[in-house]
Amino acid sequence: ETGVTQTPRHLVMGMTNKKSLKCEQHLGHNAMYWYKQSAKKPLELMFVYSLEERVENNSVPSRFSPECPNSSHLFLHLHTLQPEDSALYLCASSQDQRSYEQYFGPGTRLTVT
Amino acid sequence: DAKTTQPPSMDCAEGRAANLPCNHSTISGNEYVYWYRQIHSQGPQYIIHGLKNNETNEMASLIITEDRKSSTLILPHATLRDTAVYYCIARRGGGSQGNLIFGKGTKLSVKP
Repeated sequence: ETGVTQTPRHLVMGMTNKKSLKCEQHLGHNAMYWYKQSAKKPLELMFVYSLEERVENNSVPSRFSPECPNSSHLFLHLHTLQPEDSALYLCASSQDQRSYEQYFGPGTRLTVT
Repeated sequence: DAKTTQPPSMDCAEGRAANLPCNHSTISGNEYVYWYRQIHSQGPQYIIHGLKNNETNEMASLIITEDRKSSTLILPHATLRDTAVYYCIARRGGGSQGNLIFGKGTKLSVKP
């Protein structure tokens, strides 16, 4: 148990669906991250939030839309995804955006059909 | 940021020490060495980090060579639950962006 939870753990969605991934951290951290892990590829950073403001967007397609309503919660809204977006989506948090000591959630396994 | 090189896989007998090497020959003076691991179907887990002194915590020890061009992560008494992919990452400390860059890592298999 890392103090970072993610729901749902598994999600199957069609290309025309809209869904959201949720992440919550109970560590009092100020920075939160979304990563994508595709099969046989290294983790890719998608978004970084610090004190609820987005500080980095790594050229992520607009069909992925993050939201950080407060420092404990992070969402990733999904719409009109493609099958190649199927992956493990991981949320992480750290004390601040400069810390590399990050705590990861268990991930959401997303399958786009 | 310095590139790191790790063997793709290693085996270790249960109860023995697992020594995982990492080469970072281009590391600069202000770059830290971080180790993470990822057990199958779970998120990565922070293990330890260091700059130039050896470090130890409840999970592992980190030995960094004097020239800082390589390091070794030591799991003193490996268990089956330590089977995972281990990532060595070199990043500048106090950077403006906390983005970790994960390579392919070393897949450690602990065998009974």
